Amino acid sequence: DTGVSQNPRHKITKRGQNVTFRCDPISEHNRLYWYRQTLGQGPEFLTYFQNEAQLEKSRLLSDRFSAERPKGSFSTLEIQRTEQGDSAMYLCASSLNIQPQHFGDGTRLSIL
Amino acid sequence: AQSVTQPDIHITVSEGASLELRCNYSYGATPYLFWYVQSPGQGLQLLLKYFSGDTLVQGIKGFEAEFKRSQSSFNLRKPSVHWSDAAEYFCAVGTANTGNQFYFGTGTSLTVIP
Repeated sequence: DTGVSQNPRHKITKRGQNVTFRCDPISEHNRLYWYRQTLGQGPEFLTYFQNEAQLEKSRLLSDRFSAERPKGSFSTLEIQRTEQGDSAMYLCASSLNIQPQHFGDGTRLSIL
Repeated sequence: AQSVTQPDIHITVSEGASLELRCNYSYGATPYLFWYVQSPGQGLQLLLKYFSGDTLVQGIKGFEAEFKRSQSSFNLRKPSVHWSDAAEYFCAVGTANTGNQFYFGTGTSLTVIP
């Protein structure tokens, strides 16, 4: 069990640029989740995959956000035309079915 | 809709003192309940979970929590706090209906004084 890995750990970009984050879940986990966490708040659910299928998306996930998990293993989260309000920690978690979710250390996004 | 309330934004305790962090949830059926801990700049680490059965659950690092259905609560406790316990604590409720999506509280920040 090598844990959930997220890259990069930090991303600084200018407003309007596109960014992509990667998440490598625990290898045997079939479910993968993306959350967003802002300062002083708990994580907020964005989207979830079971294997390669994206089964649910939050209203927080605007049209500028897209997530993929093409082979049911790693996942990417892309934000297009970033805005100031996108600054946050983006957390990935994985689980085996309904077992507890294991979280990565997150990617902190800062928009200049 | 499911929701989680952590009434205490910040708690300060002395090292060696006991600790109780409050968590109330709103959900129609029996939820899955969790406590996670987060150190600055890190992800969340699972402390303990409740799915069913014994309402008093033991977790890592000497933590325990008790599920009280009548009060819709799942409070976290530790009999003797260590300085290394200083962190942010999150209560979460999960459901089986929508792929175990988690709803998190806003967290309780714990400060431990020597």
